[in-house]
Amino acid sequence: AQSVTQPDIHITVSEGASLELRCNYSYGATPYLFWYVQSPGQGLQLLLKYFSGDTLVQGIKGFEAEFKRSQSSFNLRKPSVHWGDAAEYFCAVGASTGNQFYFGTGTSLTVIP
Amino acid sequence: KAGVTQTPRYLIKTRGQQVTLSCSPISGHRSVSWYQQTPGQGLQFLFEYFSETQRNKGNFPGRFSGRQFSNSRSEMNVSTLELGDSALYLCASSLARGGFAGELFFGEGSRLTVL
Repeated sequence: AQSVTQPDIHITVSEGASLELRCNYSYGATPYLFWYVQSPGQGLQLLLKYFSGDTLVQGIKGFEAEFKRSQSSFNLRKPSVHWGDAAEYFCAVGASTGNQFYFGTGTSLTVIP
Repeated sequence: KAGVTQTPRYLIKTRGQQVTLSCSPISGHRSVSWYQQTPGQGLQFLFEYFSETQRNKGNFPGRFSGRQFSNSRSEMNVSTLELGDSALYLCASSLARGGFAGELFFGEGSRLTVL
């Protein structure tokens, strides 16, 4: 069965520090992978996506993610976090048949000055 | 280009009532999906519509239903509301045709509170 695991429910980092949010997936076929961000009271905004090709993908707001097939992981990284990055982050897998997405339970990011 | 629009943004209902939520997708998008978001559960897939047909359905009781109109606008309905139905209901549209669309575009959601 398809599933996405985000092991960290909540992460706190200092402004300017680096960030890595973990995501592990379970999917039988080639996965389509996504990271979305949600600010309080808002919908989800796409940060980046991986379909194929280069396993290191760049997204908006300075984020990047690396697909590692051997580890079934798609971790999100940012070299220097800004206070405006405080939000909820969701990893998702898109099924290659149909248009159904599977989301992780999210990681809440707090940024302290 | 206008984004995904959901109405109403907030609503309060009492147990046993029913509710209808509306979603207008991005112009040109023919696929509309609905998700329920609750703390601790994340986003749970409700259903997806494409060209007025339900293509996929998540694991929710029959009290949850939806439909899509010829202009791609979609509505979802929850009958006989329960306290546990309190959630943020998110609508997402995509360019999906026969298969995977590649990206979901989300609305800001409808926050439902059941008392």
